[in-house]
Amino acid sequence: ETGVTQSPTHLIKTRGQQVTLRCSSQSGHNTVSWYQQALGQGPQFIFQYYREEENGRGNFPPRFSGLQFPNYSSELNVNALELDDSALYLCASSRDRGQETQYFGPGTRLLVL
Amino acid sequence: RKEVEQDPGPFNVPEGATVAFNCTYSNSASQSFFWYRQDCRKEPKLLMSVYSSGNEDGRFTAQLNRASQYISLLIRDSKLSDSATYLCVVNTGNQFYFGTGTSLTVIP
Repeated sequence: ETGVTQSPTHLIKTRGQQVTLRCSSQSGHNTVSWYQQALGQGPQFIFQYYREEENGRGNFPPRFSGLQFPNYSSELNVNALELDDSALYLCASSRDRGQETQYFGPGTRLLVL
Repeated sequence: RKEVEQDPGPFNVPEGATVAFNCTYSNSASQSFFWYRQDCRKEPKLLMSVYSSGNEDGRFTAQLNRASQYISLLIRDSKLSDSATYLCVVNTGNQFYFGTGTSLTVIP
């Protein structure tokens, strides 16, 4: 077990709705990264938060947004859900930003109908 | 061009076989490299970091060739429990790039 937790484990939403996913990082880790993994693909980087500030962003539209809290837990918010947003959303925490090894949570499976 | 390219497989090998996976990356400024393992419907788990000098962890050996921008993973004496998808991961300093993964099934 990595100590990274995510909630909820599964979620079903309809197109146009908004969703918030949560992640608690491993103790001692100040950096959280979010990934989207579609079926049959590798994880795609959404963004990273380091000490409550965004520290890099992948090729995702602005309707994907995030937050990191003082305890280093994090949220991923997705507005105006589209069918293609259906995926496994993974949170990974690391001791610091940069090249540090990342440890993944179990993920949230989102289905958009 | 994708940042990280892997042969998706599938690789089906008998128990006890040796199997090798390869991965290429496009950004010559990439700084750190990893292999992750992902079981079906589970999260990726770190298998090993990859260093220029090569590194070994039991039956697993990883190699990095910076000149060719190429990473490899060798699994010796395959076990049934090695069946999984193996993800090649490259870090450019502020972003991790994952390959699509290579599927391995070890057959009794």
